[in-house]
Amino acid sequence: SQQGEEDPQALSIQEGENATMNCSYKTSINNLQWYRQNSGRGLVHLILIRSNEREKHSGRLRVTLDTSKKSSSLLITASRAADTASYFCATGSMPGGFKTIFGAGTRLFVKA
Amino acid sequence: EADIYQTPRYLVIGTGKKITLECSQTMGHDKMYWYQQDPGMELHLIHYSYGVNSTEKGDLSSESTVSRIRTEHFPLTLESARPSHTSQYLCASKKGIPMGSPLHFGNGTRLTVT
Repeated sequence: SQQGEEDPQALSIQEGENATMNCSYKTSINNLQWYRQNSGRGLVHLILIRSNEREKHSGRLRVTLDTSKKSSSLLITASRAADTASYFCATGSMPGGFKTIFGAGTRLFVKA
Repeated sequence: EADIYQTPRYLVIGTGKKITLECSQTMGHDKMYWYQQDPGMELHLIHYSYGVNSTEKGDLSSESTVSRIRTEHFPLTLESARPSHTSQYLCASKKGIPMGSPLHFGNGTRLTVT
């Protein structure tokens, strides 16, 4: 991958369970973002965490960032069938954070 | 609700044809991007623009070209399409400030070259 690895590549869980996805990156970053993509569509922005932040919450989403390990995780709590999608992390590279590079993505399947 | 529009949504074309994929946004964003994505795979940045008359090549080598004559418009052109160009092309835009503004994506153009 041009950015790093996402782990796992695919994840299948039952509705109501939590889903955790991990992302590692290679370069120094200004920020890290998570996006969701439904099949055959464009990506939708979920949450952004800046390089000086360690944790951020938005609804059922929790994101952590460890810049010393160059890694981030996305936790979706109480998953729903509608959460079925691909999830990508993306980093805004230094300087300026203008160039956004994506990881390979995790395909999440939530069974009803 | 999309404020960034890509046309066509699907395109099937023969080898050797010249094509232009259109992308327009109504948000007044300075920064615009083109990504190439094979089904189920990662996105590869192929072109980006900081503003009018500014274009840069991305990390993935591409035989396509782009132009940015107006803020809202960022078309991508393939002079001579080949089967290896078959892929999905995603256009995105974002505000220049603040740093780390999120990308807004169009729904993509799925290109098939026969």
